[in-house]
Amino acid sequence: EAQVTQNPRYLITVTGKKLTVTCSQNMNHEYMSWYRQDPGLGLRQIYYSMNVEVTDKGDVPEGYKVSRKEKRNFPLILESPSPNQTSLYFCASSFGTSGYNEQFFGPGTRLTVL
Amino acid sequence: QKEVEQNSGPLSVPEGAIASLNCTYSDRGSQSFFWYRQYSGKSPELIMFIYSNGDKEDGRFTAQLNKASQYVSLLIRDSQPSDSATYLCAVNKAAGNKLTFGGGTRVLVKP
Repeated sequence: EAQVTQNPRYLITVTGKKLTVTCSQNMNHEYMSWYRQDPGLGLRQIYYSMNVEVTDKGDVPEGYKVSRKEKRNFPLILESPSPNQTSLYFCASSFGTSGYNEQFFGPGTRLTVL
Repeated sequence: QKEVEQNSGPLSVPEGAIASLNCTYSDRGSQSFFWYRQYSGKSPELIMFIYSNGDKEDGRFTAQLNKASQYVSLLIRDSQPSDSATYLCAVNKAAGNKLTFGGGTRVLVKP
């Protein structure tokens, strides 16, 4: 089944404890992206990647890191999480890198930072 | 001014009626427009996309685009209780694949 997977789906952690949220897609997509969704603020892009080893900042990159060493994986790293990073996170991917491509979303990761 | 604006709702419609959702955007360089549906706690799923001015129909859904007025709308005909969800409007430029989302419109279809 073609899909985007994320792990973990739910995570409760404490301030300052490094964590990684994994994202993997099995559709051979070029483009991958991370979003966070907060009430009243909608979906906002954190980082995106046009291809392996090519990543760039989105609208809200502060406090996050990403890497794209393989085409299928795009992990999101929080080196020192803070409570304002409590949010619902979505990974997405699309076949091409132009704006005419549909983005497919993963199931989401609900993160709580205490 | 937000880049993509939607009325947050809730938009309450009786079962079988037409739900009309609107979205305005500020960037005239926007070229592609997407409507996603999101159930509570779930991920967004694509309903429709539209690139050209005019109407595009897919089953019970019709997307309408007017680039001159910078708005895109979604009509849901014969609304069903299963259509109760939040509908997200998203716009993109031709280059770069950066989706910008509106805040979403919550739709409630009452039996």
